[in-house]
Amino acid sequence: NAGVMQNPRHLVRRRGQEARLRCSPMKGHSHVYWYRQLPEEGLKFMVYLQKENIIDESGMPKERFSAEFPKEGPSILRIQQVVRGDSAAYFCASSPRYDGEQFFGPGTRLTVL
Amino acid sequence: QKEVEQNSGPLSVPEGAIASLNCTYSDRGSQSFFWYRQYSGKSPELIMFIYSNGDKEDGRFTAQLNKASQYVSLLIRDSQPSDSATYLCAVNRDQAGTALIFGKGTTLSVSS
Repeated sequence: NAGVMQNPRHLVRRRGQEARLRCSPMKGHSHVYWYRQLPEEGLKFMVYLQKENIIDESGMPKERFSAEFPKEGPSILRIQQVVRGDSAAYFCASSPRYDGEQFFGPGTRLTVL
Repeated sequence: QKEVEQNSGPLSVPEGAIASLNCTYSDRGSQSFFWYRQYSGKSPELIMFIYSNGDKEDGRFTAQLNKASQYVSLLIRDSQPSDSATYLCAVNRDQAGTALIFGKGTTLSVSS
């Protein structure tokens, strides 16, 4: 019974490059959430998706960040033209229903040089 | 701005004692409340959730909710050194569920 899967676990990018973070939810879960945890700060909501739909992106920066959850394949969080301030741990969580418990993946640690 | 407040700690308790972690939230419309445990460098792990006023017990853990006071707590009985971690309180952002608002967490240290 696999849990939430994320890859890569660690990602190093130079300023200006693109970062792609992938998340496969738990089996039977169709609700995916992305959160970011900056050093010494709490977890902050970024975006909530269901298959092929962005439900709530109110926590996502307006520029450079985008997310998708296609009909087939994992959810992807894309950060274009990364800057040093994007360095953080990015966590994906999934839930079987919109108001259900959320289970977190292992996270992707992004380092921007 | 909807907020979730926790004492950052550290909260230090001896092995075998009861650890009490507290959390307050600002949005009266919140319906769902969660406690996560996060070890350093790891991802949050769901340990308890509670939706109704009162107590909910699961093994050594008890979650307590008081919606009138906008207060939720977590009790850990017979604390073990392996319980040493940061405990995150999370509250759903609005009545429709969806996103969680997290507190910054309380660091618990259990000494043997």
